[in-house]
This record gives sequence, C-alpha cells and structure tokens, in this order.
Amino acid sequence: SQKIEQNSEALNIQEGKTATLTCNYTNYSPAYLQWYRQDPGRGPVFLLLIRENEKEKRKERLKVTFDTTLKQSLFHITASQPADSATYLCALESSGGYQKVTFGTGTKLQVIP
Amino acid sequence: DVKVTQSSRYLVKRTGEKVFLECVQDMDHENMFWYRQDPGLGLRLIYFSYDVKMKEKGDIPEGYSVSREKKERFSLILESASTNQTSMYLCASRPWLTGANAEAFFGQGTRLTVV
Repeated sequence: SQKIEQNSEALNIQEGKTATLTCNYTNYSPAYLQWYRQDPGRGPVFLLLIRENEKEKRKERLKVTFDTTLKQSLFHITASQPADSATYLCALESSGGYQKVTFGTGTKLQVIP
Repeated sequence: DVKVTQSSRYLVKRTGEKVFLECVQDMDHENMFWYRQDPGLGLRLIYFSYDVKMKEKGDIPEGYSVSREKKERFSLILESASTNQTSMYLCASRPWLTGANAEAFFGQGTRLTVV
C-alpha cells in the first residue's frame, strides 16, 4: 500500500543550527513533492514544491532535496530560529490521475534559544 | 490573497445528527479537498473534487459524503455523526495546473466534537 513516512518524534535543535527533516515514501510515483508548515490550531501553509526531475530547491533559509531512487526528500532549515518551531508536513502528488495530494504525518520541530 | 473559509471554527454535535461542514474559496480553483487531522495520524484525505459535481473518494471516505454544486463551495456531510468522527477537519483548494507551482491553500479548520 502507499505510504508517506515522516519521523513522528519531535526534533529539538539549538538555535542557529541546521534542522533536517526526512520524508520517505513507498509505492508512489510522485510528480511533485511539497513541504508545508503548520502551527498549532491552524491550517498548513505551503513552503516549497520540488518536481520529480529536480534534485534540489532553495528558498531563503530553506532547502529541499528529492531523490526518486531512494524515494526520499530531505528538508533543511539553516540558521534555525525559535520562530521556525512548528510541525512540518510533506505531501505527494502522484503523476496521472486527478491531482490527488496526500500528506505525511508531520514532524514537530522545536528550536531552542 | 487567496482565501479558503470554513463556516465554523468549533462545532459540537450529538451522536446520530447529520452534520454539514462548509468550505468556500475565492480563487476559482478547480480542485477542492477535505481532510481530517488526528494526533499521530496526520492529515488524511476524506474526499476531493476536481470540478463541479465531480468527486473522488480519498483514503477514509466511510461515514462521509460531499457535495459540490458550485465551483467555489465544497461541503462535507457526516450522515450520522459518531464519536469517532471527533476531529479537526481541514478544507483545501488548489488550481488545476500542469508543470507549474500548484500549492494547496487551507482553511483555518473546524474542530468538531461529537458527544
């Protein structure tokens, strides 16, 4: 069956360090992979999208990699700040079909001052 | 700014009631989605719609139905609410795009409690 796995344990890191979050998937052939941020009690907010033929994408302090051979995406936040504390979700859209978007369970990031 | 508005922020309903959750988007998006979010289970897709009157089952459609009579509005219906449907419900919309940036825009969520 199709699965998207993110580390369910919270990630605690020191301010200023680089946070790295992992998204693994099985039985998908994704056309796109997206990363979202979610704050408590709010809906997710889009951060970055990477296509299947792209290896890496950057936006300010954010970097996403996409390895379709390993079936894995890594999400990096450099020079992390306490304001980066949130839950981060990855989402996949399969190629073909009706543009169905499926989300992982999310990883909670806590940046400690 | 794209806006996705869910009709209620908090709802309390009794077991067996028929419940309507409404979602409206103002950006003429083709695709609309209903998810529920539970601790440890993340966001799970209930139903989605890619056009007016069109709908597709997601991963957990049992106990739910949907209605899309107008492009901007997507309703989630709990035919007979049960306590295991207590959850946060999130609506999202996105345009139908190929080869381009197609982010999903989410509403603020409806926290439904069934007692």
